[in-house]
Amino acid sequence: GDSVTQTEGLVTLTEGLPVMLNCTYQTAYSTFLFWYVQHLNEAPKLLLKSSTDNKRTEHQGFHATLHKSSSSFHLQKSSAQLSDSALYYCALRYQGGRALIFGTGTTVSVSP
Amino acid sequence: GPKVLQIPSHQIIDMGQMVTLNCDPVSNHLYFYWYKQILGQQMEFLVNFYNGKVMEKSKLFKDQFSVERPDGSYFTLKIQPTALEDSAVYFCASSRRLGGVEQYFGPGTRLTVL
Repeated sequence: GDSVTQTEGLVTLTEGLPVMLNCTYQTAYSTFLFWYVQHLNEAPKLLLKSSTDNKRTEHQGFHATLHKSSSSFHLQKSSAQLSDSALYYCALRYQGGRALIFGTGTTVSVSP
Repeated sequence: GPKVLQIPSHQIIDMGQMVTLNCDPVSNHLYFYWYKQILGQQMEFLVNFYNGKVMEKSKLFKDQFSVERPDGSYFTLKIQPTALEDSAVYFCASSRRLGGVEQYFGPGTRLTVL
């Protein structure tokens, strides 16, 4: 069945360093991929959604590129900020579907 | 930005009782969703609701679960009777339409069944 894999449960880093969160997926269908961010005690919010194959999408300093050849949609940022500390979910929805299928999430902790 | 509200934020009930979780979706949205997240696990889709009907549901959406949105008021998830395994955080979401658009999530209701 459809699934999303996020390999890191926790990522800790120092402010100013780059961050990359892995996301791979499995599906037999044409899909949309999403990154959601959830700060403590807040609602998950959409951070990025995929565009066409091999096209980079950017928002709020984060970027990701959908690579269908490797079934990946990794999230990157060149310089982490303290406010980036949060839980990040990768999710997919196949075209025509209604449900979002989530990965297990990666907690990012940025320290000064 | 648009906000989805959920009431209450926490609910503690005894096993076997009925519980209703309330969601106030974004005002012009037409599609509504519930997701369930057990502690330490990922969010999982329960149900999608549109135009007064359940359009899609997962195997987690047991017979004890029901959803409705009477007269455009709250979108509700009712569990009757509750079981211990229903303890989880329940997230409501809404979207304007299908087709790759954003689902807006509420902050969740933490349900504890004793």
